[in-house]
Amino acid sequence: VQLVESGGGLVQPGGSLRLSCAVSGFTFSDHHMDWVRQAPGKGLEWVARSRNSGNSHITHYAASVTGRFTISRDYSDSSLYLQMNSLKTEDTAVYYCARDLSGGHAFDIWGQGTKVIVSS
Amino acid sequence: DIQLTQSPSFLSASVGDRVTITCRASQGISRYLAWYQQKPGNAPKLLIYIASTLQSGVPPRFSGSGSGTEFTLTISSLQPEDFATYYCQYLNDYPVTFGQGTRLEIK
Repeated sequence: VQLVESGGGLVQPGGSLRLSCAVSGFTFSDHHMDWVRQAPGKGLEWVARSRNSGNSHITHYAASVTGRFTISRDYSDSSLYLQMNSLKTEDTAVYYCARDLSGGHAFDIWGQGTKVIVSS
Repeated sequence: DIQLTQSPSFLSASVGDRVTITCRASQGISRYLAWYQQKPGNAPKLLIYIASTLQSGVPPRFSGSGSGTEFTLTISSLQPEDFATYYCQYLNDYPVTFGQGTRLEIK
């Protein structure tokens, strides 16, 4: 079971970036999947959720990113995505994808994270 | 939104000590609380879910308890590898929320 993020980097304020999370070792469609971020020296902040196929892939977002970020999944390449638009300096963080522990109300598998820096 | 407040924010302890971290919710959340451990440069690791269920592979010196608005994470006998930051989390509604973290350091 593995999650591997990619796509982070340096972007100017107002710019866009798409993060990817490659999924392997489990049935992707069975699990809700999330993005969680951690600003430098700060705590964990939930960003977005893509619910599983049984829940029609309904999405949820933190208020701080609603209207700017879009979570999606692609079963053809077993990947979770986070499209980030209109980036702000306060979006600077390490972004983790995480798997929901079915019925456990927790994240049982995490990726290693990808760093996003929003700066001019 | 549910707010989670951890106490203390910082804890200094010695190997072999018993330590307890508290997480208080702004309103009742039944037992929908999880605990994570995070070491510098690493992703968080799930320790406890549904307030008291030990995640597979986690040593039994870790335990969780509580319901409603008050929860605790206890480490019965600190080991050198336990010095890290600990977070509680609520995940039964949106937004998902985390506590601010408790940093556990060696005395």
